Amino acid sequence: DVKVTQSSRYLVKRTGEKVFLECVQDMDHENMFWYRQDPGLGLRLIYFSYDVKMKEKGDIPEGYSVSREKKERFSLILESASTNQTSMYLCASTFREGGNTQYFGPGTRLTVL
Amino acid sequence: AQSVTQLGSHVSVSEGALVLLRCNYSSSVPPYLFWYVQYPNQGLQLLLKYTSAATLVKGINGFEAEFKKSETSFHLTKPSAHMSDAAEYFCAGGYQKVTFGTGTKLQVIP
Repeated sequence: DVKVTQSSRYLVKRTGEKVFLECVQDMDHENMFWYRQDPGLGLRLIYFSYDVKMKEKGDIPEGYSVSREKKERFSLILESASTNQTSMYLCASTFREGGNTQYFGPGTRLTVL
Repeated sequence: AQSVTQLGSHVSVSEGALVLLRCNYSSSVPPYLFWYVQYPNQGLQLLLKYTSAATLVKGINGFEAEFKKSETSFHLTKPSAHMSDAAEYFCAGGYQKVTFGTGTKLQVIP
């Protein structure tokens, strides 16, 4: 069974804090993704990584950065959390070739107070 | 830019009735189309995908979708709704980077 795990299911942080969201996959997938899910907006891509140390901006990268030092791990960083970053964050992974299924983690619900 | 549009953010059907969830894609979307389902408090999981092998695609739990190029549509159907089908459904399209629709919440009324 493919497994994508995320470090926390629920997280509460204060405005201005630095926040780390971790994602780990066990299927040797090349591609990993961070999405943000908000009601009525669906899933929006924040960042995408197609290899170790490689990253590409998605549709809404502002206020976020990422790190991929190992193939199985992809981290999302909020440098200075703001209330408008309160959301559900989903990580996914897949093989490099197009058309492959994305496998999702359970999500992290982040609240910024 | 590629786009995927889902018509109807909420759909209600009676148990046993036909389920029809609509999805249209822009012509710039490569011919890889997906339907994902999200149950409460879970991540998304694949329901079915179209990769140009056959226009009628069968998925899990009795769902199927038909790719219609002339209508740029990829609607999801199930002949008879079950209570366990209540969830949010996302249409998506793309190659490596995939664009998701805004989702349709399906309510099944007993």
